[in-house]
Amino acid sequence: AQSVTQLGSHVSVSEGALVLLRCNYSSSVPPYLFWYVQYPNQGLQLLLKYTTGATLVKGINGFEAEFKKSETSFHLTKPSAHMSDAAEYFCAVTGGNGNQFYFGTGTSLTVIP
Amino acid sequence: GAGVSQSPRYKVAKRGQDVALRCDPISGHVSLFWYQQALGQGPEFLTYFQNEAQLDKSGLPSDRFFAERPEGSVSTLKIQRTQQEDSAVYLCASSYRTGMAGELFFGEGSRLTVL
Repeated sequence: AQSVTQLGSHVSVSEGALVLLRCNYSSSVPPYLFWYVQYPNQGLQLLLKYTTGATLVKGINGFEAEFKKSETSFHLTKPSAHMSDAAEYFCAVTGGNGNQFYFGTGTSLTVIP
Repeated sequence: GAGVSQSPRYKVAKRGQDVALRCDPISGHVSLFWYQQALGQGPEFLTYFQNEAQLDKSGLPSDRFFAERPEGSVSTLKIQRTQQEDSAVYLCASSYRTGMAGELFFGEGSRLTVL
């Protein structure tokens, strides 16, 4: 079975500061890992994904995440926060023969000017 | 269309009413998913279609929930005898691939409020 834990339901950073959103997963099979962003009243949009290969993946809007198998983590980072990054961020995991994406409970990012 | 389209965007129902939520996926997308997102929570899986076949409905919370995709494109999620706990945003997502490496494209959701 797969599951996702996102530590910190709310994160606030100053504009220009580092963004770090944490995601830990559990999976009985090699996982595929995703980060999605959700702006108010909009659907979820894919930021980046890890399936196989390079463990550091780069996504849109300057975000990146690193798959660390030993730590069962897939934390999302961005070197310099922008006001437009304020949104809800969801980590998701899937894998094996199942068809379910398992989402975390989300982290709300606030960017302070 | 260019993206996944869901209707209605907002639905208010009285307890006990039946509702139908529509999802129009991206043309040519094989896989279609329905998710339920309660306030302050992440999306919870409801059901999955590959073309017209409903391959997984393990997430449907009760037999009041029913989904179909008869021609392998548009899908409808029907909730019978709505209850207050059904209040949530219902998200539809589609993918051009089967299997788990495919990106999910989400619609904007249908927000259901049951009074």
